[in-house]
Amino acid sequence: QVQLQESGPGLVKPSQTLSLTCTVSGGSISSGGYYWSWIRQHPGKGLEWIGYIYYSGSTYYNPSLKSRVTISVDTSKNQFSLKLSSVTAADTAVYYCASQRLGFDYWGQGTLVTVSS
Amino acid sequence: DIQMTQSPSTLSASVGDRVTITCRASQSISSWLAWYQQKPGKAPKLLIYKASSLESGVPSRFSGSGSGTEFTLTISSLQPDDFATYYCQQYNSFPTFGQGTKVEIK
Repeated sequence: QVQLQESGPGLVKPSQTLSLTCTVSGGSISSGGYYWSWIRQHPGKGLEWIGYIYYSGSTYYNPSLKSRVTISVDTSKNQFSLKLSSVTAADTAVYYCASQRLGFDYWGQGTLVTVSS
Repeated sequence: DIQMTQSPSTLSASVGDRVTITCRASQSISSWLAWYQQKPGKAPKLLIYKASSLESGVPSRFSGSGSGTEFTLTISSLQPDDFATYYCQQYNSFPTFGQGTKVEIK
């Protein structure tokens, strides 16, 4: 059973960079067949896909966030990471990491990131 | 972007009811559609993928149908554990989600 766990600061100041890491257990990122995604949910709102990375390092980002997003992978640690630059209050959300095959089948429990001074 | 529109936004139903949620895509997505259930404070759970394939471990009272631009999620007999918010999601292009349908107790 694959498990994902997000980690990172819960509070980020405006204009700074949000950084989160997702640790995968019960399966290897390098085994292929899955895309490793970040998804966010604004408080009380719907879901927004941020982007994904394949174990090879190829990435695909939501065009609306592309200029501020970087997703990277560390196969030696079985982790992938999100960096979102120049954050504002509009980036306050619960951030999820998830694996995608034919749907997002495994999810982390989510971590709330608040952007505030 | 491919826009996904769900209806209704809220649905009031009783245990045992048959429930249907509709999802429409702004352009054809073939069968590249998934359905999720989300409970408060929890991550979404995959129910259906490729429009009609039931994810392993999901009760058979859940079913999906449709192709192209119109899709439905049906719960054949609503159970107490099914009161939640449901989202559709397309993956024909970069993933986008519907706005959600909250199924509440009547």
